[in-house]
Amino acid sequence: DTGVSQNPRHKITKRGQNVTFRCDPISEHNRLYWYRQTLGQGPEFLTYFQNEAQLEKSRLLSDRFSAERPKGSFSTLEIQRTEQGDSAMYLCASSLGQGAFETQYFGPGTRLLVL
Amino acid sequence: AQTVTQSQPEMSVQEAETVTLSCTYDTSESDYYLFWYKQPPSRQMILVIRQEAYKQQNATENRFSVNFQKAAKSFSLKISDSQLGDAAMYFCAYEDYGGSQGNLIFGKGTKLSVKP
Repeated sequence: DTGVSQNPRHKITKRGQNVTFRCDPISEHNRLYWYRQTLGQGPEFLTYFQNEAQLEKSRLLSDRFSAERPKGSFSTLEIQRTEQGDSAMYLCASSLGQGAFETQYFGPGTRLLVL
Repeated sequence: AQTVTQSQPEMSVQEAETVTLSCTYDTSESDYYLFWYKQPPSRQMILVIRQEAYKQQNATENRFSVNFQKAAKSFSLKISDSQLGDAAMYFCAYEDYGGSQGNLIFGKGTKLSVKP
């Protein structure tokens, strides 16, 4: 399967714990995006990378959130000191990275539940 | 700030019939892109159709077509000959042309049910 993959698919944690999610984009894609989707809402943009450079971060990405893409391939999203409000589906997407108006290919998401 | 509004939380259609999902958006930009994404239950989101704002011709993809009304800032999706596999959440999304590339702004979605 050459699509976008995300691990883990589900994560249950206790408030205050740190969690890390991984996203593996389609191999030739230079851009990688993170979104958050809460129940009954559309996805909300968090951040995106062009290769290893993090080019934009949403105001939604508080100081407790950090994303990396060290070698321009896979990416990790870490949430420190989780709060119940962090419970959501975290979606990763990738695109070729050649300009705007590109199709973003989404992964299956990581569903986080903070107890 | 740009916003996307989908005023129909849920829609239902009979198999083989046609349904139209509504989407309006607000922007001060003249160049932008619009998308419809489909999210089946417990499956990943996939692109259904997309439209460049500077193109007046409405995009079509097989049974899917859009009615793009730039002045009215409206971008509806028409699904013809509906099939059971069309049942899903449908999200309308907006992207700036020259600003935050890749930053898709989504509506809240419309849940489409298809009755056999």
